[in-house]
Amino acid sequence: QQKVQQSPESLIVPEGAMTSLNCTFSDSASQYFAWYRQHSGKAPKALMSIFSNGEKEEGRFTIHLNKASLHFSLHIRDSQPSDSALYLCAVSQGGRALIFGTGTTVSVSP
Amino acid sequence: EAAVTQSPRNKVTVTGGNVTLSCRQTNSHNYMYWYRQDTGHGLRLIHYSYGAGNLQIGDVPDGYKATRTTQEDFFLLLELASPSQTSLYFCASSPGTGNTEVFFGKGTRLTVV
Repeated sequence: QQKVQQSPESLIVPEGAMTSLNCTFSDSASQYFAWYRQHSGKAPKALMSIFSNGEKEEGRFTIHLNKASLHFSLHIRDSQPSDSALYLCAVSQGGRALIFGTGTTVSVSP
Repeated sequence: EAAVTQSPRNKVTVTGGNVTLSCRQTNSHNYMYWYRQDTGHGLRLIHYSYGAGNLQIGDVPDGYKATRTTQEDFFLLLELASPSQTSLYFCASSPGTGNTEVFFGKGTRLTVV
């Protein structure tokens, strides 16, 4: 059974700083890697995803994937108070359903 | 924007009671999912389906049944509810599985007393 873990559990970052979130997974056959964001009281919503090793940037958000290390990360440049939310990583393998991590709560202080 | 509607939004039931959570999607998506969300556990997959009449077992299926009656409708059944099933339940849908975006409903908060 796929295990997906996130770190840290929570963090506080000052406005304008970089936020860095980590996700590890257990199955080396995993093929699809995504980050979701959930604002308080709302439904999770997809942020961005990646299939192959390397880096992908969309605006202030960047994903790094290293399959050999069973690790991927999300970096948020110039963090804003509106980025305060629960961040969930998700992994899938061989066409199975997405398995989500335990979540990281981010608070951006003005 | 993909539409996934859950009902009820809040439900309180007693231990041993029967509960049915409903979900409807109007996106013509093939896949539908039920997840539960608890602090410290993230989102955990209960059951999912790739079409009417189909059911796939997720990671935490014990105590739950599910049924996909149509392309649009997916139900989660708790036949003997227990306090450990107190949680926030999300239904979701996607066009495929494993490599496509999943769209979530607003959630149902279930309390078993």
